[in-house]
Amino acid sequence: GDSVTQMEGPVTLSEEAFLTINCTYTATGYPSLFWYVQYPGEGLQLLLKATKADDKGSNKGFEATYRKETTSFHLEKGSVQVSDSAVYFCAVGTSKIIFGSGTRLSIRP
Amino acid sequence: NAGVMQNPRHLVRRRGQEARLRCSPMKGHSHVYWYRQLPEEGLKFMVYLQKENIIDESGMPKERFSAEFPKEGPSILRIQQVVRGDSAAYFCASSLSGDRSYNEQFFGPGTRLTVL
Repeated sequence: GDSVTQMEGPVTLSEEAFLTINCTYTATGYPSLFWYVQYPGEGLQLLLKATKADDKGSNKGFEATYRKETTSFHLEKGSVQVSDSAVYFCAVGTSKIIFGSGTRLSIRP
Repeated sequence: NAGVMQNPRHLVRRRGQEARLRCSPMKGHSHVYWYRQLPEEGLKFMVYLQKENIIDESGMPKERFSAEFPKEGPSILRIQQVVRGDSAAYFCASSLSGDRSYNEQFFGPGTRLTVL
């Protein structure tokens, strides 16, 4: 079945640093790819998505590109803020979404 | 337009009791999904329902767990004879449709179940 492997955390960065969280997937067919963010004590919010190869999803300064040749969907942000501290989940799927185990990100002022 | 509603937000049960978790999808959404998140882990798919039908229950434990989404009213996830290992956050999501072309799932705030 489909699966997702993402960078283990926690990841701690200073404010304004560059962020990369790696994510690779295995899937049959042509699934969509997602990054979700979970703030403390809250549910998941969709951060960005890509529905086909070479699509780039972007939102709030975050970007990720659907790379079919490397089966990857790495999350990047050029300059992180303290408010970006959260747990980030990479996910793959169509009707049933398969989530990675999450990467906890902490940003130091 | 209200988002996905779940209640209760927190539920405490003793071993052997029943837990009932409710999910009201977004207005106009007829597809509901339940996920479970164990502490410090990602979300695991449990079941996908459309009104009055279970479409995919491949993630549901074979015993004690059941789900329904009646024609009227919220979707219910029911756990009978709860055990400590059932303690987790249970998230519901809904979407407008569920065909193979992706349709965004919107998540509720979750129900945090604690079994004493």
